[in-house]
Amino acid sequence: NAGVTQTPKFRVLKTGQSMTLLCAQDMNHEYMYWYRQDPGMGLRLIHYSVGEGTTAKGEVPDGYNVSRLKKQNFLLGLESAAPSQTSVYFCASSLPGALLETQYFGPGTRLLVL
Amino acid sequence: RKEVEQDPGPFNVPEGATVAFNCTYSNSASQSFFWYRQDCRKEPKLLMSVYSSGNEDGRFTAQLNRASQYISLLIRDSKLSDSATYLCVVRSGGYQKVTFGIGTKLQVIP
Repeated sequence: NAGVTQTPKFRVLKTGQSMTLLCAQDMNHEYMYWYRQDPGMGLRLIHYSVGEGTTAKGEVPDGYNVSRLKKQNFLLGLESAAPSQTSVYFCASSLPGALLETQYFGPGTRLLVL
Repeated sequence: RKEVEQDPGPFNVPEGATVAFNCTYSNSASQSFFWYRQDCRKEPKLLMSVYSSGNEDGRFTAQLNRASQYISLLIRDSKLSDSATYLCVVRSGGYQKVTFGIGTKLQVIP
């Protein structure tokens, strides 16, 4: 099992460009999440999904869109990148139900917006 | 006040030492608690969940103090491989209500 994978690993964008980050998991998890991690701040939730075809906003959703067309994939889109979106993006997945469920993270995508 | 607060460190300790980290949380209704480990430029990975009665996993002991609203992580006999950032994670409600602390950096020195 590959677990949670993310594509690409690293990307440089110019302000105003768009891109899509892909997250894939092979653990048949219902829940998937997108976080960003910035220096001096904890991971912050951007969007999440509790199942195929459903998405919801997290703590910092502005400037991002997501889609979950297939259970195993969760896409994060930046329509018009801004320097403030320079960050490390982590995708995670989990099984619902148990109160002490574990989130499994992908290796991250490092994004630099110039 | 931040929802989850941690001392960012770094904590520099010699091999074999015992080190403890605390993490405070502000929401008294918080339901579940975790410690994650994050190596440099890597993804976070679950180290251990924190049970109400406290729990131990080898050299690692986690405790919860609901009255004072903090959780702790104790590492005994520190190894070089323990060098990492330790993230405190608190869930307060639905699955989207998970809050990560900024992490405490530990550096174990030979």
